[in-house]
Amino acid sequence: GAVVSQHPSRVICKSGTSVKIECRSLDFQATTMFWYRQFPKKSLMLMATSNEGSKATYEQGVEKDKFLINHASLTLSTLTVTSAHPEDSSFYICSAIAGVAEKTQYFGPGTRLLVL
Amino acid sequence: AQSVTQLGSHVSVSEGALVLLRCNYSSSVPPYLFWYVQYPNQGLQLLLKYTSAATLVKGINGFEAEFKKSETSFHLTKPSAHMRDAAEYFCAVSGNQGGKLIFGQGTELSVKP
Repeated sequence: GAVVSQHPSRVICKSGTSVKIECRSLDFQATTMFWYRQFPKKSLMLMATSNEGSKATYEQGVEKDKFLINHASLTLSTLTVTSAHPEDSSFYICSAIAGVAEKTQYFGPGTRLLVL
Repeated sequence: AQSVTQLGSHVSVSEGALVLLRCNYSSSVPPYLFWYVQYPNQGLQLLLKYTSAATLVKGINGFEAEFKKSETSFHLTKPSAHMRDAAEYFCAVSGNQGGKLIFGQGTELSVKP
């Protein structure tokens, strides 16, 4: 149980284009999803918290107009990197929790983004 | 405020040897504590968690961790390392705000044959 998927697993795009990454909870309803960014040999950096049906809460320093997050259903959240630049190249990971009182985050397999 | 410190960014052990990965936390409220493992180019997999029940927590793949409030520690151990245990390990504490996790810096475990 508690499986989270991400799609795509890897994407290469040209500078200036937009890329959408999907995060799905496959066997539970995720009231909250989180989006992280991870640089090589580094820990995870929380970008935003996404609650179903409401606007995402972004961490300080994260541009909400650049990283658009939508959590339209209890099983799907999307992260769109708009007008991507090479410095946006990174490993993006989502996680999900089931229920307000739940503390355990279950992580997706990650998406490797390379912007040329 | 909550924080996590993992002592040692890199730990190397021989196959069959004891694995000890250290984690100390700071929390103003009773903490929920987690250990996750990350293999190259993959997401994080939950190894085990402490949620205020038993202080000795057993997880997957033979790992366990002991919550010691007096030492504010939650060290991860495994009696006998396998080559497949080579990975990055993250300790995390659950924050006060809606399930957020505060992560440590990570410890890379290498296992020598």
